[in-house]
This record gives sequence, C-alpha cells and structure tokens, in this order.
Amino acid sequence: GAGVSQSPSNKVTEKGKDVELRCDPISGHTALYWYRQSLGQGLEFLIYFQGNSAPDKSGLPSDRFSAERTGGSVSTLTIQRTQQEDSAVYLCASSSPGGRNTIYFGEGSWLTVV
Amino acid sequence: AQRVTQPEKLLSVFKGAPVELKCNYSYSGSPELFWYVQYSRQRLQLLLRHISRESIKGFTADLNKGETSFHLKKPFAQEEDSAMYYCALWSGAGNMLTFGGGTRLMVKP
Repeated sequence: GAGVSQSPSNKVTEKGKDVELRCDPISGHTALYWYRQSLGQGLEFLIYFQGNSAPDKSGLPSDRFSAERTGGSVSTLTIQRTQQEDSAVYLCASSSPGGRNTIYFGEGSWLTVV
Repeated sequence: AQRVTQPEKLLSVFKGAPVELKCNYSYSGSPELFWYVQYSRQRLQLLLRHISRESIKGFTADLNKGETSFHLKKPFAQEEDSAMYYCALWSGAGNMLTFGGGTRLMVKP
C-alpha cells in the first residue's frame, strides 16, 4: 500500500476483555515498530521486528502485551485482560533497510478501555 | 541508555515571532537525531534529520554535541506551524527511535 495501514482506527472495549490491533506496513519494509502514545506521556516504544530476527520486546509494559508478525509483513498487537491505563493511541511504523533510519507511521489505533 | 528530553510541553507564540523548541539528549554513541511533527488529525511524519542539514518549512535544527542539544528553530512562526513536535534519537544498537515527550506549539494570530 501507499502507507502504513492500521485497524481498527477506534476501539472501545470493556475492562478485562482482550483486544487485537492490526498493522499492515509499507510493502518491502522489513522493520516494523509499535509505539504507544498516551495523553501527556509522549511516545513509548513497545516492540520492534526486523526481518526474521527475534523481536525486541524490551518496551512491552507487561506480559498482557504481545505481538506477532506473520510472514514478515502484517503484525498484530494483542492486549489481554485490558485495563483502563491501557487507553492510548497505538502507533505502528515501518522502515526499509536502506531508509536511512526514517520510519513511517500509520494513523494509529485509538483504544479506550471503559 | 539513551534519553531524549523536551522540557516544554507547550509553547505559545504569536504569528511572525521566532520560535525555538528545545531538545536535549543523552547517548553514549554517535547520535542521529530527528524532528517529527504531528498536525491535527494527521499522522506523525518526519520533519527533518540532522544529517541532512536541511531546512524544511523554514525550520532548521543544529546538532550541538557539546551541549547535547538539537533545538528546532524558525525565525518567523506561521499559524500552520501549530502542531505537536517530537524530537527523536536513533539508537543504532537498539535499532529504534527514542522519542522525547513532545512539545505542543501554538501559533496565535
């Protein structure tokens, strides 16, 4: 596609439910990132995928958070047993190997836990 | 560990006034720094990168290794510059961008 695509754009869920957020990176981009943007908190790194290498999960805030990247393309971020503090915009980004470290962001998935 | 600090959460200036958004970093290696911008209801996008030494939309940023700063400047602010600005540091070892907390710039008419 022309850009990084994320779905859903908005999600309201009840506390305790699981949610899945999807990211479709730019075609050919081998690197994929998830960030979280909370009100007043800036951008928080969550997880990074690069090709077939093991992902860097160092930013995941708890074991309720996990992410997969299938076939080196689409990624799914899963949050289990959601809590109100999980409410945020979840941003996906991708970059190419020769992209001079420039990463391109999707429009984000706005998650509200009620 | 790398860290990016943007001391101002909000910066408000009048149209035509100079603007400087501050960014300081800590990183043990050779830094590669960026400014990203998010306009209202738009996605986060790259504004400029220090290695390009370019001016985008009238904005410039100079890397000062002595002061570990990468402040974003524009001599005459425009209303359309109102947005959220994030300073970011590329960590080659971690292969990721570390972002500052962001500064919201409001340019008043």
